Amino acid sequence: KAGVTQTPRYLIKTRGQQVTLSCSPISGHRSVSWYQQTPGQGLQFLFEYFSETQRNKGNFPGRFSGRQFSNSRSEMNVSTLELGDSALYLCASSLGLQLAGPHNEQFFGPGTRLTVL
Amino acid sequence: AQSVTQLDSQVPVFEEAPVELRCNYSSSVSVYLFWYVQYPNQGLQLLLKYLSGSTLVKGINGFEAEFNKSQTSFHLRKPSVHISDTAEYFCAVSEPSWGAQKLVFGQGTRLTINP
Repeated sequence: KAGVTQTPRYLIKTRGQQVTLSCSPISGHRSVSWYQQTPGQGLQFLFEYFSETQRNKGNFPGRFSGRQFSNSRSEMNVSTLELGDSALYLCASSLGLQLAGPHNEQFFGPGTRLTVL
Repeated sequence: AQSVTQLDSQVPVFEEAPVELRCNYSSSVSVYLFWYVQYPNQGLQLLLKYLSGSTLVKGINGFEAEFNKSQTSFHLRKPSVHISDTAEYFCAVSEPSWGAQKLVFGQGTRLTINP
């Protein structure tokens, strides 16, 4: 069974540009979450999608947005990039909504490393 | 707001020695607690989780953790470490009331195993 895949793995952009990152969850998983990982702020929750609906959103500016498609694949978009957006962006997928479910473990992808120059 | 504190940013240990990585959380409500490991250039892998029930939780790779509600702690332990345990370890918390997958992570502890 393939794991969570994220594309691209590495990306270099300049300030002011926009970027779209993609996440393909494990087959059958309907929940996708996104996290930003930086040396200074650590791992921070961005948003969560289930069945194409955003269910939860972290404390990030409106430049950060996401969506989920009917096949559960998800994309996140960052507009007007800033230097501080340089980070590893991690995607995680799970079967259902509740972390407490017996088989509802979150599986993380390898991440997309975004560098903003 | 929920927060997680990992008391040590770096822990160096000799191979085959025991190790404890400390984690405290701030909450007066029931929580779910997790430990994840991140190897270089990889995503996070779940080591173990506490949802309810027994306070001693056993995970993969010989790790275990103990939930202590009175001290709001969830320390990770391994009786004998190996070189392959060198990685960064993250403690995380979630609240059942969130009804979601959201996790709040600590800043991480870099575990270095020396031969």
